[in-house]
Amino acid sequence: GAVVSQHPSWVICKSGTSVKIECRSLDFQATTMFWYRQFPKQSLMLMATSNEGSKATYEQGVEKDKFLINHASLTLSTLTVTSAHPEDSSFYICSARDPGAGVGETQYFGPGTRLLVL
Amino acid sequence: AQSVTQPDIHITVSEGASLELRCNYSYGATPYLFWYVQSPGQGLQLLLKYFSGDTLVQGIKGFEAEFKRSQSSFNLRKPSVHWSDAAEYFCAVGGLSGNTPLVFGKGTRLSVIA
Repeated sequence: GAVVSQHPSWVICKSGTSVKIECRSLDFQATTMFWYRQFPKQSLMLMATSNEGSKATYEQGVEKDKFLINHASLTLSTLTVTSAHPEDSSFYICSARDPGAGVGETQYFGPGTRLLVL
Repeated sequence: AQSVTQPDIHITVSEGASLELRCNYSYGATPYLFWYVQSPGQGLQLLLKYFSGDTLVQGIKGFEAEFKRSQSSFNLRKPSVHWSDAAEYFCAVGGLSGNTPLVFGKGTRLSVIA
């Protein structure tokens, strides 16, 4: 199946700094990518939909100025957590849909990035 | 609104016993249904998916799921559980549009005892 990678897999940063997380589709072009956030022992919550060449669509309650999303190419979307605070510590997961996979919503998930803000 | 309900937060089964994880969904159109598994600290792995056709879907690792439209359910089953199946299982629903994200249930944590 298709592969989605994320980098870094984990990051520790000081409060007030910014952190960039990359999501790449390795063997297909993804016009749409999704960013999810998962708190410990909880489900995935959609943060935003990233569309190549246009602005991301954020879910209600997600601060677009804090979570900057850039989908500059068909294989790369980035999520930047600006001025990170301890409450931003979480597991961030991206997914990408392979439009060449045929019928339906075949989404492939990255392995996730664990962010710890001290 | 779209929603997925997984009624069981935590299930414990003995190794070798059968397993059924429940999933109910609410969706305004024809749903595409998925089951994912997540090991601790890991990403999601797709177990199986239903789009159309045969309502009994076979997946990886010996899992299967049955779509029952009348009950709005998509329960996951495995006839004989292995200790390595211990993980978090998520049911998800999505739509036909390429811009439709998946909606996940809260997950069911499976523990396997000897």
